[in-house]
Amino acid sequence: DVKVTQSSRYLVKRTGEKVFLECVQDMDHENMFWYRQDPGLGLRLIYFSYDVKMKEKGDIPEGYSVSREKKERFSLILESASTNQTSMYLCASSLFLGLAGGNYEQYFGPGTRLTVT
Amino acid sequence: AQTVTQSQPEMSVQEAETVTLSCTYDTSESDYYLFWYKQPPSRQMILVIRQEAYKQQNATENRFSVNFQKAAKSFSLKISDSQLGDAAMYFCAYRSALNNAGNMLTFGGGTRLMVKP
Repeated sequence: DVKVTQSSRYLVKRTGEKVFLECVQDMDHENMFWYRQDPGLGLRLIYFSYDVKMKEKGDIPEGYSVSREKKERFSLILESASTNQTSMYLCASSLFLGLAGGNYEQYFGPGTRLTVT
Repeated sequence: AQTVTQSQPEMSVQEAETVTLSCTYDTSESDYYLFWYKQPPSRQMILVIRQEAYKQQNATENRFSVNFQKAAKSFSLKISDSQLGDAAMYFCAYRSALNNAGNMLTFGGGTRLMVKP
C-alpha cells in the first residue's frame, strides 16, 4: 500500500514563527503536492513538485515556500506564520499521469492541523 | 481555469437507503478525469471512484456509482445501501488529461454526509 506520512497531526505556533511541515511517501512517486483545506473551500493547491528540486506554484502560494531535496520528501515552509494560515494541511503524492493513465490517483497523508496564535 | 462546484454542503441518509451527491464542473477541455474522494472523520482521504471523460460508461465500485453527464458537465455520486462507515466528507475533483497541465486536481468545496442508524 502507498503510504504518505506527515510529521505532525497537530501543531500550534505563534505569529511570526517559521514553521516546517514535512511529508514523506514510500512509493517512489514523481509528483508531490501540498494542499490547504478550509471549510466550504475544499482543498486548494499551494505548491507541487514533479521532480527533485523542481517546484511549481499552485493556486495560493503566497506566504509559503517548499523544498524537495529527496524524491520521497516534500517540505512546506511558512516563513513567518500568520493567523490566516491556521488551517488543515494535506500532502499528497502521485505517479506522472503519463505513467498512471486511467489509474491516475493522488494518495493523501493524514493531514496536519496547524493553529497559529 | 477549471472550477468544481458541490452545491450540497451537508446531506443525510438513513442507513440502508440510497443517497446521491451532486457535482458540477466547468471546463473547456474535452478530455479529463473526474474523481470522488472520501475523507472520514480524522482519517486519511481515499479515492472512492474515478471516471475518464472519454468513456461513456458510468464507473461503478461496489455500492458506489456515478452518473456522468458530459454535456451537462455533471458528475454525481450515488451510494447504495448506505452504511454507517460511509459517513464522511466527500470531495469531487477534476484533472485535465493533458500531461503538462500541472498535475493538479481541482476540488469542489465538499459535502458532509451523515448516516442515520
